[in-house]
Amino acid sequence: GEDVEQSLFLSVREGDSSVINCTYTDSSSTYLYWYKQEPGAGLQLLTYIFSNMDMKQDQRLTVLLNKKDKHLSLRIADTQTGDSAIYFCAESDDSGAGSYQLTFGKGTKLSVIP
Amino acid sequence: SAVISQKPSRDICQRGTSLTIQCQVDSQVTMMFWYRQQPGQSLTLIATANQGSEATYESGFVIDKFPISRPNLTFSTLTVSNMSPEDSSIYLCSVRGARTEAFFGQGTRLTVV
Repeated sequence: GEDVEQSLFLSVREGDSSVINCTYTDSSSTYLYWYKQEPGAGLQLLTYIFSNMDMKQDQRLTVLLNKKDKHLSLRIADTQTGDSAIYFCAESDDSGAGSYQLTFGKGTKLSVIP
Repeated sequence: SAVISQKPSRDICQRGTSLTIQCQVDSQVTMMFWYRQQPGQSLTLIATANQGSEATYESGFVIDKFPISRPNLTFSTLTVSNMSPEDSSIYLCSVRGARTEAFFGQGTRLTVV
């Protein structure tokens, strides 16, 4: 089956930029997503990018997509303590053979040091 | 964006019993999914809830254990049957339209004792 990989932990100082990386194997990925999960909470959709784009910016968030290398990253500028959470990368295959379901990575736990 | 209401938000259940989780969406959606997140783990798809027909289950999940209903385009239920402590997880409802983003409910945190 398809696979999504991401590093498990990232620690940054408040005010610095955070970069969370993700790689995936599905050549037919249509959308790639970033979700945030705080302790005891559900998944909050942060942003997503269509597979024919290479960059998307939304306030403090920048998503970069290298489709050739199947590499996705999420950059959070001016990281705050409230950004401490688990960040999940996910992809969906909306092609004719796909099922529109999402495949998730294991999540990256971001710790922000005051 | 879709607003998803999931109930209950959490429950503690005795082993051998069943729990039905409800997912209500504020608009009609094409697709509804049920995921499981075991403690400290990522999300695994249980099944796709199909309106008016039987759900499509992923490998490792069966209808007898996780019966799903979807009577219309805004509502679905997932039942966790004959529960054991291994079923302790967060269960999440997700919705999306074709070629649109996927949204999640807040999840149901289930503890089986």
